[in-house]
Amino acid sequence: ETGVTQSPTHLIKTRGQQVTLRCSSQSGHNTVSWYQQALGQGPQFIFQYYREEENGRGNFPPRFSGLQFPNYSSELNVNALELDDSALYLCASSLGGQGLDEQYFGPGTRLTVT
Amino acid sequence: SQQGEEDPQALSIQEGENATMNCSYKTSINNLQWYRQNSGRGLVHLILIRSNEREKHSGRLRVTLDTSKKSSSLLITASRAADTASYFCATVLSNDYKLSFGAGTTVTVRA
Repeated sequence: ETGVTQSPTHLIKTRGQQVTLRCSSQSGHNTVSWYQQALGQGPQFIFQYYREEENGRGNFPPRFSGLQFPNYSSELNVNALELDDSALYLCASSLGGQGLDEQYFGPGTRLTVT
Repeated sequence: SQQGEEDPQALSIQEGENATMNCSYKTSINNLQWYRQNSGRGLVHLILIRSNEREKHSGRLRVTLDTSKKSSSLLITASRAADTASYFCATVLSNDYKLSFGAGTTVTVRA
C-alpha cells in the first residue's frame, strides 16, 4: 500500500458526459501526476501539478483538466467523453516536481465510456 | 510515442527460474525506473537507477543501466508465483519531470 487513494474505483459514463476523478496524495507529497493507461498499454502522462500549479502537460486535449488543492489532493476532469477515453486512470504522488525520485501510484480508477 | 520499449513483450517461466527483461530508450535520461503492475491495478515502484549508476540491487531484483547503449535490464532471481505481473520501465529525460513508460513485459511464473 502506497498511501495514495483514488475514487471512485470504477465508473461507467456515456459518450458526451463529464467525469471527475479524485486522488489523495501520500502524506508529505506536494506533487501529483495523472496518467491514462489503455488496455494492454503502458501509462501515458496527462499532466502534473506541483504546489497547486500545473507543472507540465502531455499530449492530451484541453477537455482533460485538473486541479490540486492546498492539501495536495487532486482532481482530474474530463469533458465531452469519447469512447477512446475508456481506460485506467492512475494518479501518482511524489515529493518535488523534478522527476528525480520515485512516484507512488494509487490503485487507479477504471473508466468505461459507452 | 513511448520513450522506452521493453523486450520481450511476454515471458513464461517456471517457479525458481530467473527472469530477465530489457528496456531500450531513445534519448538521454536523468534516471530510469522499473515498476510492477498486478492485474491492471496500481503500479508499484521497484528500483530507480540514475544515469551515473550502472547497477542496483534490491532483494531478488537486479537492474543494470548502459547509457552508451541506451538500455537497461531487470533480472528477477529465483522467481515465485507472486512475481506474476506486468513490468514497466519508465524514463525521466534530462531536464524533464515526467515518467515516460514503455508498453511493458508480462511475466507469468508457473508453479
